[in-house]
Amino acid sequence: NAGVMQNPRHLVRRRGQEARLRCSPMKGHSHVYWYRQLPEEGLKFMVYLQKENIIDESGMPKERFSAEFPKEGPSILRIQQVVRGDSAAYFCASSQSGSGANVLTFGAGSRLTVL
Amino acid sequence: GNSVTQMEGPVTLSEEAFLTINCTYTATGYPSLFWYVQYPGEGLQLLLKATKADDKGSNKGFEATYRKETTSFHLEKGSVQVSDSAVYFCALSDPGTASKLTFGTGTRLQVTL
Repeated sequence: NAGVMQNPRHLVRRRGQEARLRCSPMKGHSHVYWYRQLPEEGLKFMVYLQKENIIDESGMPKERFSAEFPKEGPSILRIQQVVRGDSAAYFCASSQSGSGANVLTFGAGSRLTVL
Repeated sequence: GNSVTQMEGPVTLSEEAFLTINCTYTATGYPSLFWYVQYPGEGLQLLLKATKADDKGSNKGFEATYRKETTSFHLEKGSVQVSDSAVYFCALSDPGTASKLTFGTGTRLQVTL
């Protein structure tokens, strides 16, 4: 019974390149969340998605960042034209529903380093 | 807006020592409160939670009580083990939604023999 799977675990990009981070939720979970942890800071909410829908993207930077959760396949967080300030750990979580009674299950994170 | 403040680490303890990691919060309404733990190389795991005032969450010997009067949710364990070495995150969520957790910065615990 695999948990939340994220890949790659580590990603190195040069400034201006694109980064794609993937997240496969737990079996039976249809809600996906992305969080970002900058160095020396706590995790910050970015976006909440259900299959083919973005429910809440209030934590997403206005430019260069996008997320999707297609009908088939993993959720993808895409960062275009990366800058050094994008270096962080990106965590994906999933839940069965979006209600407060549900608990988020987190993946191990993807660590992005921008040179 | 919501915020969570945790004591800074690292916290270094000898095995069998008593552990307290302080956590205070600022929120409107009545949030749910959580402690998550992250072992090296792994994702965050829910350790315990409390959804209303005076609730006590407990798991694996860890406890935390939801104190509305002091807006606190301190984590305690009577006797730590080396295997408890990890980073501990305090978090809150708005009532009725699991989507937007607000996290503290995390406290690293190192337990030595």
